[in-house]
Amino acid sequence: DAKTTQPNSMESNEEEPVHLPCNHSTISGTDYIHWYRQLPSQGPEYVIHGLTSNVNNRMASLAIAEDRKSSTLILHRATLRDAAVYYCILRDGGSGGGADGLTFGKGTHLIIQP
Amino acid sequence: DTAVSQTPKYLVTQMGNDKSIKCEQNLGHDTMYWYKQDSKKFLKIMFSYNNKELIINETVPNRFSPKSPDKAHLNLHINSLELGDSAVYFCASSHATSSGRGGETQYFGPGTRLLVL
Repeated sequence: DAKTTQPNSMESNEEEPVHLPCNHSTISGTDYIHWYRQLPSQGPEYVIHGLTSNVNNRMASLAIAEDRKSSTLILHRATLRDAAVYYCILRDGGSGGGADGLTFGKGTHLIIQP
Repeated sequence: DTAVSQTPKYLVTQMGNDKSIKCEQNLGHDTMYWYKQDSKKFLKIMFSYNNKELIINETVPNRFSPKSPDKAHLNLHINSLELGDSAVYFCASSHATSSGRGGETQYFGPGTRLLVL
């Protein structure tokens, strides 16, 4: 799976929007963009994913650049419970569905100030 | 109901012992995984398995072996434990989609914290 680049850490205030960037300049046409997060002492948790169009769900929004070389995870109103490490991961949608794991990078450590 | 469960939650053992970690998923998924998170918090895939194939990360020592008694379980057996095996081990599962791996969502268990003394 192609590589992604994220800032090591970001800080935001509670109840404000948070924009977490991810660069993936080598993305291929069949790569999906996935976001997972890991809260302290817990397993990773799926947040959202998309291919070309922006996506919204109850947890977050995903804004994908027109050239798909970058994306932004948007938490509309951060709470203290959103403090976690957020991972941006590319997954190839064209490889036939065989078993394979996620390739995690270092992620972005999101700190929420009360 | 817990979707992906692991037992035990904590495991403390001596070097050289053999141990197993159990994983069960009640989501009806067809693919299961084991990941290792080391002390620096890096998460790495160890194995992925469905009823067709087992994919092994080439960096995983052959002392580690996954065993799947049925589709809902993928247990991790570790022989001759070493100090460097101390880590948190996560099990996960997913279901194949029409868009291949690209559209799959993985669900993770709570982790097993292994400490080798």
